[in-house]
Formats: sequence, C-alpha cells, structure tokens
Amino acid sequence: SQKIEQNSEALNIQEGKTATLTCNYTNYSPAYLQWYRQDPGRGPVFLLLIRENEKEKRKERLKVTFDTTLKQSLFHITASQPADSATYLCAGGGSQGNLIFGKGTKLSVKP
Amino acid sequence: NAGVTQTPKFRILKIGQSMTLQCTQDMNHNYMYWYRQDPGMGLKLIYYSVGAGITDKGEVPNGYNVSRSTTEDFPLRLELAAPSQTSVYFCASSPKPNQETQYFGPGTRLLVL
Repeated sequence: SQKIEQNSEALNIQEGKTATLTCNYTNYSPAYLQWYRQDPGRGPVFLLLIRENEKEKRKERLKVTFDTTLKQSLFHITASQPADSATYLCAGGGSQGNLIFGKGTKLSVKP
Repeated sequence: NAGVTQTPKFRILKIGQSMTLQCTQDMNHNYMYWYRQDPGMGLKLIYYSVGAGITDKGEVPNGYNVSRSTTEDFPLRLELAAPSQTSVYFCASSPKPNQETQYFGPGTRLLVL
C-alpha cells in the first residue's frame, strides 16, 4: 500500500541549531509532497508544498527538498526557536486523489 | 473569514449511540474532507467531497456516512458508535484537488465508552 513514513517520532535540538526532519515514501510516486505543522489540540496548518520536478523550496527559515531517487523529502528549520516546537506532518498525494499523511515528528527546541 | 469551523469540540458517546459532527467552511471551496487522527498515527481519510451533491469514500469509511447538500457544509454521521471510533476528527477544505493547500478545522475529540 502507499505509505508516507516519518521515521523519527521525536527530535530534540538546541535553540539556534538547524532541525532536519525526514519523510520517505514507498509503493508509489507522489507528484508533490506537503508539510504541515500541528500544535497540541489544534488542526494541521500548511507550511510548504514541493512538486516532484522541484529540487528545493524555501520560505523564510524553512527549506524543503524532494529527492525522487532516494524517495525522500527533507524539511529543514534553520536558526530554530522554542516557538518552532510542534509536530510536523509530511503528506503526499495518493492515487485516490487524497492526501496520505505520515505519523509526524514531534520537534522540541530547547532554549 | 472564519475558515473551517467544527462542532462540537468534544463529545462523549455511549456504545450504540449516533451523532453528527458538523463542519462548515466560508471560503467557497469545492473540495472538503473528513480525517480521523488516532494517537501516534497519521491522519486517515474517511470521506471526501468534490462539490455539492458528490461524495466518495476514503481509506476508512466503515461506520460513517456523509452528505454534501451545500458548498459550505459537510457533516459526518456516526451510526451505532463503537469504541474503535474514539479519535480526533478533522474536517478540511481546499479550492482545488489535493495539489493545493488543505485548510483544517480545529477538530472534534470523540470518546466512545
């Protein structure tokens, strides 16, 4: 079955460092990947979308890459801040026209 | 714009009871979705709609029903609630199919005892 896997359940880093989150996809080739942020008790909030023909995309301190050879997307937050602490979800387009979500990675940025 | 709103925020149901989770969006989006999120798991699609009068099953539709009589509203009906339906339910909408951003509501937390 089509899967989006985020292998790290949790990531702890120090303030000011770069956080790197990994998303892998299996058994299909999504035309795009999306990244969402989810705070406790809230709905996901869209951050970035990257298409399969794009290598890299940036938005302020955020950067996402798409490697079709490795079947992987990396999500980077540079100069991380405690306010960046949240769960980050990766999602890929599915064959039914739906989004397939990974389980998420909980990022904790310590001051 | 209020975006996507969901009611209720929290509900406790007894096994066998029924209820309707409400979802409304004021962005004039054609596409609407219902997901459930279990602890430590990714969101799973229950049902979706591409416009008023059109709905289709997602990955986990059993035990649920939907209707879409207007562009704004997309209620999710639970018949004969079971403990396995204990979850957080999110409604989302988008202006186009999934290549675009999905806008999520705040969620409804449901506990079936």
